[in-house]
Amino acid sequence: GQQVMQIPQYQHVQEGEDFTTYCNSSTTLSNIQWYKQRPGGHPVFLIQLVKSGEVKKQKRLTFQFGEAKKNSSLHITATQTTDVGTYFCAGTGYNTDKLIFGTGTRLQVFP
Amino acid sequence: NAGVTQTPKFQVLKTGQSMTLQCAQDMNHEYMSWYRQDPGMGLRLIHYSVGAGITDQGEVPNGYNVSRSTTEDFPLRLLSAAPSQTSVYFCASSYAGPPETQYFGPGTRLLVL
Repeated sequence: GQQVMQIPQYQHVQEGEDFTTYCNSSTTLSNIQWYKQRPGGHPVFLIQLVKSGEVKKQKRLTFQFGEAKKNSSLHITATQTTDVGTYFCAGTGYNTDKLIFGTGTRLQVFP
Repeated sequence: NAGVTQTPKFQVLKTGQSMTLQCAQDMNHEYMSWYRQDPGMGLRLIHYSVGAGITDQGEVPNGYNVSRSTTEDFPLRLLSAAPSQTSVYFCASSYAGPPETQYFGPGTRLLVL
């Protein structure tokens, strides 16, 4: 079945440094979503990408969807302590209603 | 709107006991799903439903049953709890299936002894 992996599993950065998490699917995806989960909280939707090669920005966050629609990335510029949490990608293959989540990347930001 | 609600927030079970985790949404969402979250394994899909009366299996359905008799409710039943089912369980809903935005409940933390 469809598998979605993320690297790294953990990342510790100094405040102001950049951060990137990578998402790789075993199958081609029709779309990919990104979620953020604060410690002790629940996942909250950030963004969705649908088109091959699509790039979207939200303030300091940049999201990319690979040309083959099998990978994606999230890049945070100049991290802040408010960025702390676990970032998940989630994708849906074609001809399925299943939304499969990646393994997540936990980000810790030191002031 | 209350959004997606889950009860209980925390539960301790003994091996072999059964219980039902409740999930309800008041947003008239057709699509609902259950995930379990374990350290290092992300969120794994247990069961999902595209509408009342329709359910289907996710990645890890064994040991769990679901039903969808109404649009609002999507309970998850553990028939005979096992320590391997110790986890945090999240319910989610969306207006339609993916790629619609998923709205998550606050979660239920389950400990099976």
